[in-house]
Amino acid sequence: DAKTTQPNSMESNEEEPVHLPCNHSTISGTDYIHWYRQLPSQGPEYVIHGLTSNVNNRMASLAIAEDRKSSTLILHRATLRDAAVYYCILSDSNFGNEKLTFGTGTRLTIIP
Amino acid sequence: DADVTQTPRNRITKTGKRIMLECSQTKGHDRMYWYRQDPGLGLRLIYYSFDVKDINKGEISDGYSVSRQAQAKFSLSLESAIPNQTALYFCATSDGTSSSGANVLTFGAGSRLTVL
Repeated sequence: DAKTTQPNSMESNEEEPVHLPCNHSTISGTDYIHWYRQLPSQGPEYVIHGLTSNVNNRMASLAIAEDRKSSTLILHRATLRDAAVYYCILSDSNFGNEKLTFGTGTRLTIIP
Repeated sequence: DADVTQTPRNRITKTGKRIMLECSQTKGHDRMYWYRQDPGLGLRLIYYSFDVKDINKGEISDGYSVSRQAQAKFSLSLESAIPNQTALYFCATSDGTSSSGANVLTFGAGSRLTVL
């Protein structure tokens, strides 16, 4: 299974943009890139996903490298509520969610 | 009410006891999952079910069993609990109907189990 590599932790100032990187050099052509986040004492929640093109939704933007070997989750204006562990995950579209493998993620700290 | 409800939220038990963690969902999703989270190890898939008659093992199914009593209910059992099953357990659902294959998981709030 393709794996992802993320920094263990990052810090960002409140009200500034945050760029969370993810490397997935062994990604296959059918793998989707998902991002989930886990707020303290809660279950993970979906943030965004994409295949080849950049994606935007109300929570964040996902920038995918042209060779798809890396991606970046962009929080445009971080708030204290965005402090969480962010997981970058690959899923094989041939199998669906059962191939979702969560790593240890990036713990994002927001500095007031 | 939450879309995915897990009970109990916290449980302390002793080695050798049988434990059942229950999950119910109001999203009408066909697919349900049980994950386990340990500090520093992320989430690992225990079992998953695509419909009432379908049960599949995940990466760490040993020592666990599941029951899909209805579309909305998926229970995880530990027949004889042991201390290394102390963890945070999450139930999740998805609709499994996305033509793109990139289905979205909805998680419950988790059940914290401690085995002494």
